Amino acid sequence: DTEVTQTPKHLVMGMTNKKSLKCEQHMGHRAMYWYKQKAKKPPELMFVYSYEKLSINESVPSRFSPECPNSSLLNLHLHALQPEDSALYLCASSQVFSLTDGYTFGSGTRLTVV
Amino acid sequence: GESVGLHLPTLSVQEGDNSIINCAYSNSASDYFIWYKQESGKGPQFIIDIRSNMDKRQGQRVTVLLNKTVKHLSLQIAATQPGDSAVYFCAENIGAGGTSYGKLTFGQGTILTVHP
Repeated sequence: DTEVTQTPKHLVMGMTNKKSLKCEQHMGHRAMYWYKQKAKKPPELMFVYSYEKLSINESVPSRFSPECPNSSLLNLHLHALQPEDSALYLCASSQVFSLTDGYTFGSGTRLTVV
Repeated sequence: GESVGLHLPTLSVQEGDNSIINCAYSNSASDYFIWYKQESGKGPQFIIDIRSNMDKRQGQRVTVLLNKTVKHLSLQIAATQPGDSAVYFCAENIGAGGTSYGKLTFGQGTILTVHP
């Protein structure tokens, strides 16, 4: 299995809702990432997990809460989002050392906040 | 902060031509570089990578060149096909130690359009 699977593919949520994005990989990668991508812009790093521990938080607002319950799963919990948070949320994974073949990205969750 | 940038935001070529997409980076600590292709509605797809101790790497129809002196990266696509039409991003990795996981920073992207 050489894929990163993200669910759901599309999500519409209100500003008072709580929702979660899910990401799964079975490549044995022990580094996992959340990126945010606005239309016609490059992906921007949000969080990095290494060995299920949060190692990088790029000053992301607390309304985004990541969780890594095991080595294959990565979640992003969403609460009280704003319309400007609407974007494509990408999950990625990689080896921790001696990177080869870059970071593997999922197809993303297209989030719309209304 | 330091960033990776591209000289040309769009590139339009005829099918069969060779394409060259350029990228400038500014962080001398970056040790690993990756080119990604992103099609509409999809996540970035790995094309080719290169480590900072190399200056050229070839794949199938693609070549990446790295010039550390001027902090420049390029992607060459041979015999470009309509299926190559997409947004291409360069990305630089600043590893936690050597070529390891870390912060992957993307350039602004180039839209490649291939006309039949």
